[in-house]
This record gives sequence, structure tokens and C-alpha cells, in this order.
Amino acid sequence: DGGITQSPKYLFRKEGQNVTLSCEQNLNHDAMYWYRQDPGQGLRLIYYSQIVNDFQKGDIAEGYSVSREKKESFPLTVTSAQKNPTAFYLCATNPGDRGAGANVLTFGAGSRLTVL
Amino acid sequence: GNSVTQMEGPVTLSEEAFLTINCTYTATGYPSLFWYVQYPGEGLQLLLKATKADDKGSNKGFEATYRKETTSFHLEKGSVQVSDSAVYFCALSDHGGSQGNLIFGKGTKLSVKP
Repeated sequence: DGGITQSPKYLFRKEGQNVTLSCEQNLNHDAMYWYRQDPGQGLRLIYYSQIVNDFQKGDIAEGYSVSREKKESFPLTVTSAQKNPTAFYLCATNPGDRGAGANVLTFGAGSRLTVL
Repeated sequence: GNSVTQMEGPVTLSEEAFLTINCTYTATGYPSLFWYVQYPGEGLQLLLKATKADDKGSNKGFEATYRKETTSFHLEKGSVQVSDSAVYFCALSDHGGSQGNLIFGKGTKLSVKP
């Protein structure tokens, strides 16, 4: 089955540590996104990538970094510079074309990060 | 900039009640509009969408009509079930940003009691 796999599902981190969240897709979608979800605040865009080896900052990129070395993978690193990293992180993909799937995001199941 | 405003929750209904979750938007141009649903502990799933004015999106008994004159995309269902308990997000496509990027409302939590 095609889909998006996020790992780990739960992650605990001590203050000052960097952590990397994995996002892998086998949908053959060009575009990939990272969103952060906080209670009562909806989803906010962290980074996105429309093609391999290229990515752009979203609305809340400070304290995060990404890479896009392969079409299938878009890992997110939460660095120690992120002041309030405890949140639910969602990875999403989009076909990247202008057909019927245009602007339709497919989401992974999410990763919940807790800073101790 | 573009934005989405949806009614605050939580919304609590009895089974078989009528559901309306209001959503209004501010946008330049002609965005596409979406409703996504999130079940506990999961990611978001597309529920329905509409791509132009007067389009009606529908799925699983839910409906929403793209009303350009009132800049609204209200979600409705005639008879809710306990299994509809979830958080519902209204969203619009941000054509001013990256292709495929969506702007989301804050979500409305729905609880349906038997």
C-alpha cells in the first residue's frame, strides 16, 4: 500500500539535544511538507520541498532544519535552538502537479515530541 | 494575507443530531477549499474539497458548498454518529505561497454521544 511513514511515533528529548524525525513516502509525490500542530492552534508550516535537493522555509522555520536528498525522504531535525519544541509533528505530501490532486495533501500519522 | 476562521469548539452532539461547523475565509484570487478530519492520535485525512464557487464537496454524508459571496465553506451532516467524533479542520490553498501549501483553521473538536 502506498503511504507515508513517520517515525518514531513518540519521542522524548532532553533540553539541549537535537532530534531527527523521519518521513518516508512511497507515493511518488514530488512535494513534501512538515507541519507543527499545537492544541488550539491548528497546523503551522515549518518547511516544504517541491523537488529533490531543494526546500523552502515555512512560517515557523526557526530552530528546525531539513534535507531532501531523495524523493522518498524528508527528515526534520529539531535543534536545540527551538525554544518550545514539544508538539505533534505532521509530514505531508502532494503530487506537485496541477491535475485532480492539485493542492490535496496526504498526511502521515504524526510524531509526538516531548521535551523533558 | 490569506486566512481561515472556523467556529471554536468543542461541539457536543447526540447521535443522529444535525451538524454544522462554520468556516469563513479571507483570500485573494480563487482558492480551493478543503475539510480535513483528524481522529485521535492520527494524522489528517481529506474529507472533502471544492475548487470553485458554488461547487459542493461531499463524502461520507458530509457536505460543504463553496460560497464566494459570503466567503464561507460550512461543513454539514444531517445525522451524526459516534464514529464522527474527531477534530475537523477547514483549509484553503495558498496560491500565493508554495503550490500545494494549505492554510488551516484552528480546528473544531466534535464529540458525539450515544
